[in-house]
Amino acid sequence: KNQVEQSPQSLIILEGKNCTLQCNYTVSPFSNLRWYKQDTGRGPVSLTIMTFSENTKSNGRYTATLDADTKQSSLHITASQLSDSASYICVVSDRGSTLGRLYFGRGTQLTVWP
Amino acid sequence: EADIYQTPRYLVIGTGKKITLECSQTMGHDKMYWYQQDPGMELHLIHYSYGVNSTEKGDLSSESTVSRIRTEHFPLTLESARPSHTSQYLCASTRQGASTGELFFGEGSRLTVL
Repeated sequence: KNQVEQSPQSLIILEGKNCTLQCNYTVSPFSNLRWYKQDTGRGPVSLTIMTFSENTKSNGRYTATLDADTKQSSLHITASQLSDSASYICVVSDRGSTLGRLYFGRGTQLTVWP
Repeated sequence: EADIYQTPRYLVIGTGKKITLECSQTMGHDKMYWYQQDPGMELHLIHYSYGVNSTEKGDLSSESTVSRIRTEHFPLTLESARPSHTSQYLCASTRQGASTGELFFGEGSRLTVL
C-alpha cells in the first residue's frame, strides 16, 4: 500500500502560468518531507525539505507547504518555465535516523508548453 | 551538481547475460543506495550500504547483488539477466542517512533485457 499519494498524475500548463502539485501521505511517525525534481533521463534532485514544524519554504520559484495535521503538502511553481517540465516526486521519511525509511510517491509529470 | 556517476547510461543485452552496473561518488559519503524505477511508478529500494563491507537488501526483492569494497564504489551485478529485469536503476548517496540527509542521485542506468 503506497503511503504517499500525489496528484495530479500529470499536468500540462502554458509557460508563465502558475501551478500547484499535491502530496498526501499516511506515513507515521513523520520526520520530514522532501520534494524532488526529476528531468527526463536524469536522476532526481532535491528542491526542498519540510520538517514537522515548518509550514512554508521557498526555493526560488518553488514554494512548498506542509500541513502536518492533515498530512498534506503542496508544491507551488510560480511563473513556469519550459525547464520546469519534469516529474516532481514527494518523499516522506518516517523518522530522523539512520534507521528511517523513505516512502516515495509516483510523481506528477509536469509539461510546460510555450 | 552531485558528484555521483553511473555507467552505463543505457544497456541492451540478451537473456542470461551477466551485467554489472557501476556507481561511483566522490563526495566521501558512507551511505549508498540502489533504487529501481519503472515508468509512472515510485522508486523502490533494492540494496543499500552504510559503509565499506556493509550491504543490505532493500524493500524490493531483487535477484541482483552488490558489493562495497571501497567507499566511493557501489556496483550492482545481475548474474543472469531476464526480461523482468528491464528497468531504470538509480544509484544514490548521502552523508547523514536517507531519512535525514539529502539523497544525491546519479543519472541512472536504463537496462533492457531482450
